[in-house]
Amino acid sequence: AQRVTQPEKLLSVFKGAPVELKCNYSYSGSPELFWYVQYSRQRLQLLLRHISRESIKGFTADLNKGETSFHLKKPFAQEEDSAMYYCALSTSYGKLTFGQGTILTVHP
Amino acid sequence: KAGVTQTPRYLIKTRGQQVTLSCSPISGHRSVSWYQQTPGQGLQFLFEYFSETQRNKGNFPGRFSGRQFSNSRSEMNVSTLELGDSALYLCASSLGADITGELFFGEGSRLTVL
Repeated sequence: AQRVTQPEKLLSVFKGAPVELKCNYSYSGSPELFWYVQYSRQRLQLLLRHISRESIKGFTADLNKGETSFHLKKPFAQEEDSAMYYCALSTSYGKLTFGQGTILTVHP
Repeated sequence: KAGVTQTPRYLIKTRGQQVTLSCSPISGHRSVSWYQQTPGQGLQFLFEYFSETQRNKGNFPGRFSGRQFSNSRSEMNVSTLELGDSALYLCASSLGADITGELFFGEGSRLTVL
């Protein structure tokens, strides 16, 4: 069965510092991975997906199949990045397996 | 364009009752997925519908059911409610054409079972 692990429930950094949110997955097939974000009082929304290989709001994530990881990184964190971040694995239509989420707080 | 709309936003029920939640997807989206979110279990997949057919189902008991109408609107029903069914139920819509597609989430329906 598939599984997504986000080892950090809480992550605090200062503005301008680099940030890395960790995500590891377990899946026997070819993984389709995503990062979803939920800002305060907003709905859950897509941040980025590995297939697009794009940078959104300065965030990037690289799929490492050897380490089964999909860590989210940003070189210089901003206060507006404070949010709940979910790593998710898609194994079928509309079916995402989510990690437990990481609350990121960026202090001024 | 209008986002995913879920109704009702909040509801309170007692054990043994049943509840129906509604989801209107983004116009043009044919896939609707349902998720349960709780503090202990996080976000868990319930089921997914595409063109009125259930394509995927999660590991929930048969008390949880759903359906989709010809206009892609979807409903989910929970019968014989238990205290543990208290949760935020999220609906998400997508084009449904592939598994790499973005899911667009609603604000959720918060169910409290007393």
